[in-house]
Amino acid sequence: ILNVEQSPQSLHVQEGDSTNFTCSFPSSNFYALHWYRWETAKSPEALFVMTLNGDEKKKGRISATLNTKEGYSYLYIKGSQPEDSATYLCAFISSGNTGKLIFGQGTTLQVKP
Amino acid sequence: GAVVSQHPSWVICKSGTSVKIECRSLDFQATTMFWYRQFPKQSLMLMATSNEGSKATYEQGVEKDKFLINHASLTLSTLTVTSAHPEDSSFYICSATSGLAGGAFADEQFFGPGTRLTVL
Repeated sequence: ILNVEQSPQSLHVQEGDSTNFTCSFPSSNFYALHWYRWETAKSPEALFVMTLNGDEKKKGRISATLNTKEGYSYLYIKGSQPEDSATYLCAFISSGNTGKLIFGQGTTLQVKP
Repeated sequence: GAVVSQHPSWVICKSGTSVKIECRSLDFQATTMFWYRQFPKQSLMLMATSNEGSKATYEQGVEKDKFLINHASLTLSTLTVTSAHPEDSSFYICSATSGLAGGAFADEQFFGPGTRLTVL
């Protein structure tokens, strides 16, 4: 059974704080890792698709890094804003079954004004 | 662009009835659509993968006769929960990919907003 773990489960920060979360996945048979942002009552929105070890991607104040050899990815948010409040999901794709996204349980971020 | 809609957003039904959930790609052609469900405090779990015009591929443990999937066009897939029971109460969400980035799976999946099913 392939296990994808995210930590922390939830996080409360003040506006302006920078924060980061972790996604751990199997270090073997890596194909791709996806990050999604999911606001309540909306569709999950793709943030990043990461495929290469050492990848670092950035979108505005949000960035992500990837270490496939040790099986983890970090998502960073610089200067958190209330509109960043959402659940952040990572999803692992194994080379053994490229048809399947295996999701972590998500990290729920609440940014207080 | 890349918007996926899902209907209904929530539904309450009596035990034993069937419920149909629609998933539409509004501005692109979806060669592949995926159906997930999420139980409280758990991860999104893939139920099945469907390609337009062919039978869906179900994940282990998902009953294909209970969860009927039809992907009759490049913009519409439906999930029918047949003879629903309280244990089928869950959050069902679909996603779609156009497969344009050279492979259907490293490509982004675009998600609908989900359907909350409650079976009484």
